[in-house]
Parts: sequence; C-alpha cells; structure tokens
Amino acid sequence: AQSVAQPEDQVNVAEGNPLTVKCTYSVSGNPYLFWYVQYPNRGLQFLLKYITGDNLVKGSYGFEAEFNKSQTSFHLKKPSALVSDSALYFCAVRDKYSSASKIIFGSGTRLSIRP
Amino acid sequence: DSGVTQTPKHLITATGQRVTLRCSPRSGDLSVYWYQQSLDQGLQFLIQYYNGEERAKGNILERFSAQQFPDLHSELNLSSLELGDSALYFCASSTGTSGTSYEQYFGPGTRLTVT
Repeated sequence: AQSVAQPEDQVNVAEGNPLTVKCTYSVSGNPYLFWYVQYPNRGLQFLLKYITGDNLVKGSYGFEAEFNKSQTSFHLKKPSALVSDSALYFCAVRDKYSSASKIIFGSGTRLSIRP
Repeated sequence: DSGVTQTPKHLITATGQRVTLRCSPRSGDLSVYWYQQSLDQGLQFLIQYYNGEERAKGNILERFSAQQFPDLHSELNLSSLELGDSALYFCASSTGTSGTSYEQYFGPGTRLTVT
C-alpha cells in the first residue's frame, strides 16, 4: 500500500531565508510524487511533480523539490521565502503501476513566513 | 482558476438530511475525484470516476454515493447526515487513469455544515 508522511505539522521561516518542507513516501513500485499548496478558503493548487528523469524538479512560484530514491523523500524547497508563501502544503504520491490514478495525500504542513 | 467548478460553495443543513454536491471537471478531463477535508482527518480520498464508471474507492461511507454523468459532471450524494460530516468537500479532475497527465486539478470546494 502506498503512503506519504509529512513529519512537520508546522514550519516557521523568516522572509528571505531558504525553506524546506519535508516529505517521505512509501510505494511498492516506482512513485509519482506531487506537491500541492492550499491557501485559506481555496482548493489545492498543483505546484510540481516528479514522474521520471532529473531528480530536481522545478515548479510554480520558485519552488523546487528533490527526489531521493534511497531516502524515499521528496522535500519541497525554495531558496528565499516570501510572506505570500504562507499556506498549507501537501505532498502526495501515486504508485506508477497502479491501475487507478488514486493519489494519496500527506497530512499537510503549515508554512508560516514571518516578515 | 483550475477550470474545475463546484456548486454550491456553502451548504448548511440539519442532521438526518440529504444533500447533493455537484462538480464539473476541466474541459477534456475524463476522471473525477472526490475528497473530504476536515480539521482532524486531513484530506481523505473518497471515490474516483473515469468516463462514467467507478474506478477507485477510498474512505467513503455507505451513506455517501457518487456518480458521473455522460457529460462528465459528477455528483456526490450525502445522506442521513451527521454532525461529523461537516467538512470541506473537494472535487478534482485529471485527463485519465493511466494517461499522460498525472496531476489532479482541484475545484474551490463545497463547505458543508451540518447542524
């Protein structure tokens, strides 16, 4: 069975500093990995995905994520945080060989950027 | 704007009642997914439809049912409502099951309050 863990409920970062939001996953085969962001009272917005190829994936709003197969991780990063990055971030995984495209979401990490 | 629409935005109803939530996927998307988001449970996958057929089931209660119509819009029916059913219900869509587009695009959600 596939699963995803976001070990931190909350991450606090000062504006201008680099940020990392952690994610680890478990699938029986090769994973498809995703990051989504949710702003207050809004639906989830797709940020980036890893399907295959380069382990460093670049996405929207200056975010990137690094796929690490040996550590089964897919941490979200940004070199310089903005106050507007404050939101709820979800990591998600899908088993590449699953017949259904069901995606399993992590519990979410609330990112708070202080000015 | 993701292109996924959901109606209504807000719904307030009493325990024991039945409601229907509606979702229209992005143009061209064949798969529709329903999720429930509550404060203590996070984002829970309920059910997926692909081109009118049920494709995957998650933590969906027997009191809940869904369908996808020939025009690809979907409805989620919630019956015998309980206080604990109060949550945000999201619909998402993607192009297919094992097709080339893997990410899901989320609607703005329906906030259900059961009193």
